[in-house]
Amino acid sequence: GAGVSQSPSNKVTEKGKDVELRCDPISGHTALYWYRQSLGQGLEFLIYFQGNSAPDKSGLPSDRFSAERTGGSVSTLTIQRTQQEDSAVYLCASSLAGRGETQYFGPGTRLLVL
Amino acid sequence: AQTVTQSQPEMSVQEAETVTLSCTYDTSESDYYLFWYKQPPSRQMILVIRQEAYKQQNATENRFSVNFQKAAKSFSLKISDSQLGDAAMYFCAYRFSIPVSMIYNQGGKLIFGQGTELSVKP
Repeated sequence: GAGVSQSPSNKVTEKGKDVELRCDPISGHTALYWYRQSLGQGLEFLIYFQGNSAPDKSGLPSDRFSAERTGGSVSTLTIQRTQQEDSAVYLCASSLAGRGETQYFGPGTRLLVL
Repeated sequence: AQTVTQSQPEMSVQEAETVTLSCTYDTSESDYYLFWYKQPPSRQMILVIRQEAYKQQNATENRFSVNFQKAAKSFSLKISDSQLGDAAMYFCAYRFSIPVSMIYNQGGKLIFGQGTELSVKP
């Protein structure tokens, strides 16, 4: 079946603008994760959604970052008033619910803030 | 806090030879999962192999195998008969085992090492 998809593939924006990144998980996967991959910080967890439960936002770096998941499927990560340090690859992953389920990743969105 | 360390930023191997990538981790948990992911230039993170901490037997997937030393907190990846397509960044990752009661409000986030860039020489 289809894997995790993300859009856009690449995004260039100006400092101070808002951006929205989209993730479409594998059908039937109730768990969804966002990670950020940057040169300085490596791969770091941002946020986790599971079904209709309240998300785990413990990894969001600032209140400029927010995410939602509509209908338990597609998720949107929003970055407000972007800063140059937000430049990174944003990866989305999904999995079945379970104690040790494997996470499957999308191709990521490369964000460049000028 | 759990940490994952990959001490080899770069590795190189001759085609058809064997290479081992190192990974160590620090945790106070006894039940957890370990993974190796491969990230080619396309950016897609691809699962290579996984290991459940409660299993003593080392996981294998075709040419890929691990050496899991729980007491030493070591989890190395061995690639046999290396192929040009194996060239990529490899990440070691740790995930603790979520209590069943917590699955719906505390996800099993992955904690990644810094990565090892593997090049394969023809």
